Amino acid sequence: EVQLVESGGGLVQPGRSLRLSCTTSGFSFGDYPMSWIRQAPGKGLEWVGFIRGKAYGGTTDYAASVKGRFTISRDESKNIAYLQMNSLKTEDTAVYYCTTSDNYICFQYWGQGALVTVSS
Amino acid sequence: DIQMTQSPSSLSASVGDRVTITCRASQTITKYLNWYQQKPGKAPKLLIYAASTLQSGVPSRFSGSGSGTDFTLTISSLQPEDFATYYCQQSYITLPSFGGGTKVEI
Repeated sequence: EVQLVESGGGLVQPGRSLRLSCTTSGFSFGDYPMSWIRQAPGKGLEWVGFIRGKAYGGTTDYAASVKGRFTISRDESKNIAYLQMNSLKTEDTAVYYCTTSDNYICFQYWGQGALVTVSS
Repeated sequence: DIQMTQSPSSLSASVGDRVTITCRASQTITKYLNWYQQKPGKAPKLLIYAASTLQSGVPSRFSGSGSGTDFTLTISSLQPEDFATYYCQQSYITLPSFGGGTKVEI
């Protein structure tokens, strides 16, 4: 069974950094892309970025709203994906979901989400 | 970027009703269109991918159709557990994007 568990969320001041982790099990981690999607309170879904699997060199892509501030990485030895968030803004406040799939077409499996609140 | 527009943004329906939700892309996305269901406080759940393929375990009352720029999600007979918010999402280009959502209410 595929399982994704996010951790590391919390309250952080504007301009500071935070790192989310997505601990995975139940699938061949290195072969799957890992994506992050966020949802601001009462709003819709926004794709944040993703990291490709080994076969595609583990390259990354990001939404324009976070490019240059957020970095996605993966640790193959621990089966964990990370979302490093720097220079946080109040508008980054959201529930952050990690997702994966056995293809690059859809978001098949989701974690339960981690709440990040950016406020002074 | 590709913009995804869903309509309506909300609708009221009753158990047993046939419900149709529309999603329009700002440019052609061929059949790279997925549908998700989200209930309050929960992560989204994949219902349909590639416009019309039902994800494993999803009831057959859900169906998807369309290609190019116009797509439809249909629930043939609404059940109590189907009251939720539905999102479409395109995966035609590297940067995915979601529609604004359709809330299905009683």
